[in-house]
Amino acid sequence: GEQVEQLPSILRVQEGSSASINCSYEDSASNYFPWYKQEPGENPKLIIDIRSNMERKQIQELIVLLDKKAKRFSLHITDTQPGDSAMYFCAAANQGGSAKLIFGEGTKLTVSS
Amino acid sequence: GALVYQYPRRTICKSGTSMRMECQAVGFQATSVAWYRQSPQKTFELIALSTVNSAIKYEQNFTQEKFPISHPNLSFSSMTVLNAYLEDRGLYLCGARGPGQGYTLYFGAGTRLSVL
Repeated sequence: GEQVEQLPSILRVQEGSSASINCSYEDSASNYFPWYKQEPGENPKLIIDIRSNMERKQIQELIVLLDKKAKRFSLHITDTQPGDSAMYFCAAANQGGSAKLIFGEGTKLTVSS
Repeated sequence: GALVYQYPRRTICKSGTSMRMECQAVGFQATSVAWYRQSPQKTFELIALSTVNSAIKYEQNFTQEKFPISHPNLSFSSMTVLNAYLEDRGLYLCGARGPGQGYTLYFGAGTRLSVL
């Protein structure tokens, strides 16, 4: 199958705390896992991605982890700020040269101050 | 840098009419273009994948007869929504990638379609 499951669908955290979003995929050939942030009325923007040759990647307060054996990957936002409030989508792809991404259902993150 | 321009940003059409949206890649060669739809309160559904020198592949529930796509060169793609009805409303996104861009898929700003 090609499904990507994303949980939770809604996440509320206090400013300064961490937020974690988890995704799982079915296609064992998937080798590219991007995360997109979408603010209301806007298009999704790539915030961080990880390839299958890595287990962990960090860009500032964003950390992504990949467990290929379990076919799971996750996004962790440390020290959340109100500006982090948005919809977050994980995706998976088998980058054999195409642009086909399979998206998760999305997580609505709300960071309250 | 790599950019994808998509237009129009918003459009309203009468039920049963058609509308066309366009996608322009700037700064890279868009060898592969994917069109997605995000319906209200939903995730992104892949409509079709267009790769230069290959046939356009439509996903289940989407057809060429309803969503004809053109990908005539490495910088341009268009998609038309024919006979649009209420269930076709949503945000339509084109995503493009090409050689030299790694695995990154660049999205256009999206075309928000409303149907009256």
